[in-house]
Amino acid sequence: EVQLLESGGGLVQSGGSLRLSCAASGFTFTNYVMSWVRLAPGKGLGCVSGISGSGGSTYYADSVKGRFTISRDNSKNTLYLHMNSLRAEDTAVYYCARVQYFQDSRSYLFDYWGRGTLVTVSS
Amino acid sequence: EIVLTQSPGTLSLSPGERATLSCRASQSVSGSYLAWYQQTPGQAPRLLIYGASSRATGIPDTFSGSGSGTDFTLTISRLAPEDFAVYYCQQYGSSPPTFGQGTRLEIK
Repeated sequence: EVQLLESGGGLVQSGGSLRLSCAASGFTFTNYVMSWVRLAPGKGLGCVSGISGSGGSTYYADSVKGRFTISRDNSKNTLYLHMNSLRAEDTAVYYCARVQYFQDSRSYLFDYWGRGTLVTVSS
Repeated sequence: EIVLTQSPGTLSLSPGERATLSCRASQSVSGSYLAWYQQTPGQAPRLLIYGASSRATGIPDTFSGSGSGTDFTLTISRLAPEDFAVYYCQQYGSSPPTFGQGTRLEIK
């Protein structure tokens, strides 16, 4: 059974930093692109970042580029999101998701998700 | 990027009724690469439909998807109590992947 368990969320002041983790199990972690998707209050879902199975290729939404860094440790089956220079608009539930990557469109289908971790940025 | 608009914002129905949810794209979705997800409070979002009409593993046949181009529909043929949730569409026909703003399906 595929399981994704996020941790590391919390309350942080504007300009602060936080590191999210996602522990994966039930599948061969290194074979999959992984992603972080967030759900902000009053807004829909949005893909924040993604990383290839080897970790050699990454994607960032324009809104987080230069502030967030995605990484993975395949020896620990763990995905990370390092978040710096946090802003009030980064307040959201952050979900870890396994990705089915489509080469032809270079885009993501999210087939399994965790329950999320809440990040609150106070101004 | 492709903008997805879902309607209605909220749908109020009774158990046993049929639900029809709409997702309209700002431009054609390549390959009918359109998915639907279900989210209930405190739970992980769940993939229901991919490729516009294929059910994901374990999804009952009361859920069906249809459409192509810019107009897509999710139909729930007979609503069960556990089906009352928020539903999102998502396109993966181009980068970046984008989601609709969601339709809340509530008990009437």
